[in-house]
Formats: sequence, structure tokens, C-alpha cells
Amino acid sequence: KQEVTQIPAALSVPEGENLVLNCSFTDSAIYNLQWFRQDPGKGLTSLLLIQSSQREQTSGRLNASLDKSSGRSTLYIAASQPGDSATYLCAAPFGNEKLTFGTGTRLTIIP
Amino acid sequence: DAGVIQSPRHEVTEMGQEVTLRCKPISGHNSLFWYRQTMMRGLELLIYFNNNVPIDDSGMPEDRFSAKMPNASFSTLKIQPSEPRDSAVYFCASTRQAVGLSYEQYFGPGTRLTVT
Repeated sequence: KQEVTQIPAALSVPEGENLVLNCSFTDSAIYNLQWFRQDPGKGLTSLLLIQSSQREQTSGRLNASLDKSSGRSTLYIAASQPGDSATYLCAAPFGNEKLTFGTGTRLTIIP
Repeated sequence: DAGVIQSPRHEVTEMGQEVTLRCKPISGHNSLFWYRQTMMRGLELLIYFNNNVPIDDSGMPEDRFSAKMPNASFSTLKIQPSEPRDSAVYFCASTRQAVGLSYEQYFGPGTRLTVT
């Protein structure tokens, strides 16, 4: 069974700072890991998907890394903005295509 | 593309009533997933289909829940009879898959179900 953990559950940082969100998973035999963003009362928006053959993926101010051997992934957000405030979830597959989600990190960027 | 479409967006019903949630996946995607999100349990996979065939329904909580995918562009999740503990946000997601490859899952906006 795949278990996905995200610590901390909540994080507040001043605007402009760089920050890192953490994700750990127990089954390292994954073939990808996906990061999502969820705004209050909304659905999930896919941010980045890292294939197992990759070590990182970048999209704008976001950079996600994957270390299968240690069972960890990080999401780096550069120059944070108030609009980045949301809950960030990581998800790792278990079995065929089933995703197991972490409980998320609720991020607040303080203007 | 319009993305994954779900209806209704909000549903309020009384205990014992039948509830049907609907989903239209992104055109060209061949896998469809139904999830449920609650504060207590987070996001849970209920069932997923590949090429319209149910692959894994181990997450379906009880026989009161059933899901169908009659064609590549439509799926339903039905709860009969509904109970207050079924209150949650139900998400549908779709992706395209091929042997040995995996792609991003795209989520719909969700249906917020309240059973009184």
C-alpha cells in the first residue's frame, strides 16, 4: 500500500520569499509523482508531473524534484506571491494508475 | 478543450433519496476516476475506468454506491439510498494512458453533496 505524507500541514511565509513544500511516500516503485494546487471550494489543478526517469520538472516559478531512493519529492516556489496561497497536494500512484494523495500543505503568503 | 465537466455543482438532498452525479471527461482521455474528498479522510479514490471498463472499485464504500461509464464521454456515480455521511465533494478526473506511460490527471470542479 502507498502512503503519502506532507509536512507541515500549514505554512505561512511573507511575500517574496522562496519556499519548499515536502512530500514523502512509502512505495518507491512509482513511475511518476504529481503536484496539485487546490483553492478553497475548488477542484484540483495539476501543477507538475515528474516521471520516474526524471529528477525534476520546472514550470515558471515552480520546480519539483523527485528522489525515488529516499521516497521524497519537493515543490520549490520562488519569489512567492499572495496568489500562491492555496493548498498544495502531492500524489503518487499505487498499483496501476491509482493515485494516493497526501493530506496537503495549506500555504498562506502574507502580503 | 472545456476540461472535465461535472454536474450538478451542488446537490442537497434528504436522507434516503437517490443521488446521481455526472461527469464528462476530456475528449481523447481513456481513463476516468471518481474521488471523494472530506475533511476527515482527505481525497479518496472510489473507482476508476479504463476504456469504459471498471478496473478497480475497491474504494467504493458500500453497495449503495455504483458507477457506470456507458461510453467514452460520459460517466455516472449513483448513491442509493443516500445517507448524511455521504456528504462530501465528489470529483471526477480523466487522463490518457498507454502501456508503460503515465500522464497527468485533470480534475473537474467537483460536486458538493449535502445529505440532510
